[in-house]
Formats: sequence, C-alpha cells, structure tokens
Amino acid sequence: DGGITQSPKYLFRKEGQNVTLSCEQNLNHDAMYWYRQDPGQGLRLIYYSQIVNDFQKGDIAEGYSVSREKKESFPLTVTSAQKNPTAFYLCASSARGAGDTQYFGPGTRLTVL
Amino acid sequence: KQEVTQIPAALSVPEGENLVLNCSFTDSAIYNLQWFRQDPGKGLTSLLLIQSSQREQTSGRLNASLDKSSGRSTLYIAASQPGDSATYLCAVRLNNFNKFYFGSGTKLNVKP
Repeated sequence: DGGITQSPKYLFRKEGQNVTLSCEQNLNHDAMYWYRQDPGQGLRLIYYSQIVNDFQKGDIAEGYSVSREKKESFPLTVTSAQKNPTAFYLCASSARGAGDTQYFGPGTRLTVL
Repeated sequence: KQEVTQIPAALSVPEGENLVLNCSFTDSAIYNLQWFRQDPGKGLTSLLLIQSSQREQTSGRLNASLDKSSGRSTLYIAASQPGDSATYLCAVRLNNFNKFYFGSGTKLNVKP
C-alpha cells in the first residue's frame, strides 16, 4: 500500500519548545517537500530535498530545520526561533519526470499553546 | 519568481451547473501544471496533470486546459455535484527544477 504518512495528526507545543514532524514515503521518490498552509492561503514551501543528504531552503525556511538521511524519510523540526508556528503542515514527494505528479500526506496540525 | 493566481477565491453554484476555475502564472517556462483538490483538514489529492507539451487533460467530468503563451490554465467541471465541494488548487513546476508554486485556491460550494 504505497503512499506518504505523516505523524502525528495533531501536535501541541508550548512556546520555547522544539518539535519534530515525521514524514515517510514508500513511493521510491527522490524528491520530498515540506509546505506550510495558513487559513485561506495556498501552500508555502519551507524546505525541499531532491536527493538523500541534500536539501534546499524554500521561501519560508527561517525557524525550521530538516534532515534527509534516508530516501524514505524527511523529518521537519519546528524550532523555538519560528515566531508563529501554528499552522497546517503538509509533506509531499515526487519523481523527476514531467509526467510525474506530486503526492501529499494527510498533514499535521501544529498548535502553539 | 513564479507567481500563481487563482480566481475566483470562492464560488457557490447550484447542483448541476457547469463551471470554470481559473489559474494564471507569470513565468511560462513551466515543466507541468497540476490541479489538486483539498477537503477541509486533509492533504491534497491530485486531479489532473498537464505536461508543458500538452494542451489539455480529461478525467471523467473534469477537463483542464493549458495555454503557456498566455500563462493560463482552466479547470472545467461538468454537471457539478455537492460532493465536488472542496478547495481546488493549481500548482506549476518549473523546467528542470524540482520545485512547485501553488495558487491560493478556489473554495467551491455546490448547493443541493
């Protein structure tokens, strides 16, 4: 059963804490992505990785960090430096061809208490 | 930087109506364009993907067209149903670059 899994579905964080969001895929895709979605807005790219052990900053990388030690996994850490972390976080993956679609996980909703 | 705009932001129609959602982008050097559906609190589901060499794609009641020269794509939904109610997003992928740019979406409500 191929796809992308994200955990947890809901996450609550106290101010000043770092939290890590999990993303795993078994689609054998090289590229993986993290997006942030705020109410009524589109998706904004946080980080993306085109290959293992390599990743690039997206448009809103400040306050976030990632790692890509395995092809299947791309965890996102929301650090205390992120001033407004409450949002819906979506992980995605894709292959490289022009005919290859981007697949999304179910998302993690992070709330700062 | 690629800018993607979707109009209208929200749309409410009676069941059975045919409708068109619009997506425009500023840089025509795209690799492909995708239309997604998002239900509240859920991830995105891919509906149609049009490669840069293609003009349109069809799946059931959905038809998406692409005009690279004018920087526009439309998603046509025939005979709309209440189950079509969702937010529809378009995304463009740049040439030879594994990066996607998303519009802010059109929230569709189909009334029974």
